[in-house]
Amino acid sequence: QSVLTQPPSVSVAPGQKVTISCSGSSSNIGNNYVSWYQQLPGTAPKLLIYDNNKRPSGIPDRFSGSKSGTSATLGITGLQTGDEADYYCGTWDSSLSAGVFGGGTKLTVL
Amino acid sequence: EMQLVESGGGLVKPGGSLRLSCVVSGFTFRNAWMSWVRQAPGKGLEWVGRIKSKTDGGTTDYAAPVKGRFTISRDDSKDTLYLQMNSLKTEDTAVYYCSTGYCSTGSCAFDNWGQGTLVTVSS
Repeated sequence: QSVLTQPPSVSVAPGQKVTISCSGSSSNIGNNYVSWYQQLPGTAPKLLIYDNNKRPSGIPDRFSGSKSGTSATLGITGLQTGDEADYYCGTWDSSLSAGVFGGGTKLTVL
Repeated sequence: EMQLVESGGGLVKPGGSLRLSCVVSGFTFRNAWMSWVRQAPGKGLEWVGRIKSKTDGGTTDYAAPVKGRFTISRDDSKDTLYLQMNSLKTEDTAVYYCSTGYCSTGSCAFDNWGQGTLVTVSS
């Protein structure tokens, strides 16, 4: 059971927008920055968002992040078949003194 | 270009030991905070542990399932990160990734990842 809670899967049509939620508590999301990762099939994860809403160089602005209280959200617009992947949220948990991830959300673009 | 290359994975019996290595290039390793993250077959990501740069104290933190069994170390002269795994259990079977990035109070974000090395614990 993951410390952070994500929906197991979401399906969206090409060209549409999707949001993926990540729910936690005051010991993790509530008092720490959130990051988001994309993992394409058979590859290593890639950082999409850090510090709740910042994008690393090279990440298109179709990807966005936000946080409110003990929940965070990843938004993706203009969905393409190439966006089909598993998406993970992550942060630090101050009670556990450990990094923590969500269970992952499988995005299907159909 | 920043590169992280893990090695040392393989098949090991329960109760056995294994040491993973992660050789890095393309950035100043001694200034980097490094983590190990694992992924069991068909499962999600799990943070294993982190070592700070020596400048920031060089201290380590570990996830509860591996604390006392796994040890992270670094050799800055060789640009290499290590994960010593002892008393291995079947539930340690996973692809192990090394990654760079700050991970401590305030935030945890991994900006570069290796390709991973598979560890299989089975009799």
